[in-house]
Amino acid sequence: AQSVTQLGSHVSVSEGALVLLRCNYSSSVPPYLFWYVQYPNQGLQLLLKYTSAATLVKGINGFEAEFKKSETSFHLTKPSAHMSDAAEYFCAVSGRYSSASKIIFGSGTRLSIRP
Amino acid sequence: DAGVIQSPRHEVTEMGQEVTLRCKPISGHDYLFWYRQTMMRGLELLIYFNNNVPIDDSGMPEDRFSAKMPNASFSTLKIQPSEPRDSAVYFCASSGAENTGELFFGEGSRLTVL
Repeated sequence: AQSVTQLGSHVSVSEGALVLLRCNYSSSVPPYLFWYVQYPNQGLQLLLKYTSAATLVKGINGFEAEFKKSETSFHLTKPSAHMSDAAEYFCAVSGRYSSASKIIFGSGTRLSIRP
Repeated sequence: DAGVIQSPRHEVTEMGQEVTLRCKPISGHDYLFWYRQTMMRGLELLIYFNNNVPIDDSGMPEDRFSAKMPNASFSTLKIQPSEPRDSAVYFCASSGAENTGELFFGEGSRLTVL
């Protein structure tokens, strides 16, 4: 079975500051891990994914995430926040070799950017 | 390429009325998913199809909900009769046969049941 826990339902940072959104996962099999972003009044779109290659994964818009098996974490970071990064971010997990139906989404973290 | 297309974008209806939500997946995608998003419950998987066949409908809340996929390019989610607690944003998503978990979402249908 898989699950994800996103720490913090709301994160606020200043423009130009570091963004850190936390995600811890639980999986009984080697996982695939994902970050999705949802802008207001839109569907979710894939930001980045880990599928067992490099543990540091780079995504769109300057975001990256590092898979740390020892910590069962997959935190999302961006060195310098931009106003356009304001959105809701979802961490998700699925079991490697399992079907997409087993994708489990976290409860989401709303990111606000202060001018 | 066109993404996943959903209609209507917004629907306001009265309790007891029938609601039909529509989805056109990305051409060539073998999997289609219906999700519901609410503040209280987050993102919930309702049902998914593979090659037009319903595979898992365990997330469908009750018999008032039904979903069909008559062909590879069209799916519907129907609620009959609708209730205020069905108010939510309903998303359709599709993915390719490789099924690595990358889902492509539509923009959603916001349903309000009065």
